[in-house]
This record gives sequence, structure tokens and C-alpha cells, in this order.
Amino acid sequence: DGGITQSPKYLFRKEGQNVTLSCEQNLNHDAMYWYRQDPGQGLRLIYYSQIVNDFQKGDIAEGYSVSREKKESFPLTVTSAQKNPTAFYLCASSDGTGPWNEQFFGPGTRLTVL
Amino acid sequence: AQKVTQAQTEISVVEKEDVTLDCVYETRDTTYYLFWYKQPPSGELVFLIRRNSFDEQNEISGRYSWNFQKSTSSFNFTITASQVVDSAVYFCALKGTSGSRLTFGEGTQLTVNP
Repeated sequence: DGGITQSPKYLFRKEGQNVTLSCEQNLNHDAMYWYRQDPGQGLRLIYYSQIVNDFQKGDIAEGYSVSREKKESFPLTVTSAQKNPTAFYLCASSDGTGPWNEQFFGPGTRLTVL
Repeated sequence: AQKVTQAQTEISVVEKEDVTLDCVYETRDTTYYLFWYKQPPSGELVFLIRRNSFDEQNEISGRYSWNFQKSTSSFNFTITASQVVDSAVYFCALKGTSGSRLTFGEGTQLTVNP
């Protein structure tokens, strides 16, 4: 089945540690995105990538880093510089970046920093 | 700048009631697309509908219907004869032609009680 996978579903880390969240898609989509969701809030864009080996900062990129070495993979690293990393992280992909392209979402990773 | 406002933070109804979720948007683009997504308790966002700014026809899909009114910058979503399985957070989103970012509202938590 085509789709987006994120692993793990729940992740716990100690403060000060970097952590990498996985996102893989087999939809052959060019564009991929990372969002952060806090309780009672909408989704905020962290980073996005329109093509392999290229990515752009979103609205809240500070304290995060990404890579896009393969079309199907877009891992997100939450660094120790991110002041409040506990949140629900959603990965998405779309066939293109035109305004008509809907984004398809993965199941999310809930990160808790202790 | 783009903005999406979902003024209703939480709505609670009894099964079989009709319920309307409001969405008001702001954009300077003349061409744009509006989306609705459903986020059930599992966390994954599910795409429901896309509407472009030139198509003001209302749409009906089963128990779901959408009312797009450009004059009031609104794209409201109605669920007829609600069911417990409709309980979720619903997000309205906007994407214009001036950028590749999808702007989300803060979401409306819908609870349908048996």
C-alpha cells in the first residue's frame, strides 16, 4: 500500500540530546514537509523540500535540521537548541508544490523530552 | 500574508444533530485553494476536500457538505446527521499561488456524543 510512514509513534528523550525523526514515503512524491503541532493549535511548518538535495525553512525552523538525500526520505533532527521540543510531529508529502496539490500526512511521532 | 481562522475551538453535539464548522480566510492572492482535513484521535490528518477560488459551487459528499462564499471569505463545512465516528479535530487550510506553504487554521474539536 502507498503511504507515508513515521517511526516511532512515541519517542522519549532526555533534555540536551539530539533526536532524529524518520519519515518515509512510497508515493513517488517530489515534495515533503515537516509540521509541528502543539495541543489546541494548528500545524506549523518547520521545513519543506521540493526536490532531492534541496530544502527550505518554514516558519519555525530554529532548533531543527533536515536532509533530503533520497526522494522517499526526509528525516528531521530535533537539536538541543530547540527550546521546547515536546510536541506532535507530522510529516507530509505532495505530488508537487502547486496550490492545488493536497498534502498527504503520516501518522505522526509524539516526542516527549524529559 | 495568509491567515485562516476557525473561531470555534470546541463543539459538542448529540448524535444525529447537524453541525457546521466555520472557516474564514484572508489572502491577497486572486487564485488560491482551500482544504479541509480531519484529524481523528489516532493523529493522522485525512484529506477531505479541495476547492479552488474560482469554483463557488457548493459540494456535497454523503453526509458532508461545503459552502464556499468568496464574498465573505468563508468556507464552511457541515456534517448532517452526525455520528460518533465524526468526532475529531477538523482543520481548514489555505494555499495561494504566491507561495508553496499551506496555512492551517487552529482547528475545531468536534465531539459527537451518543
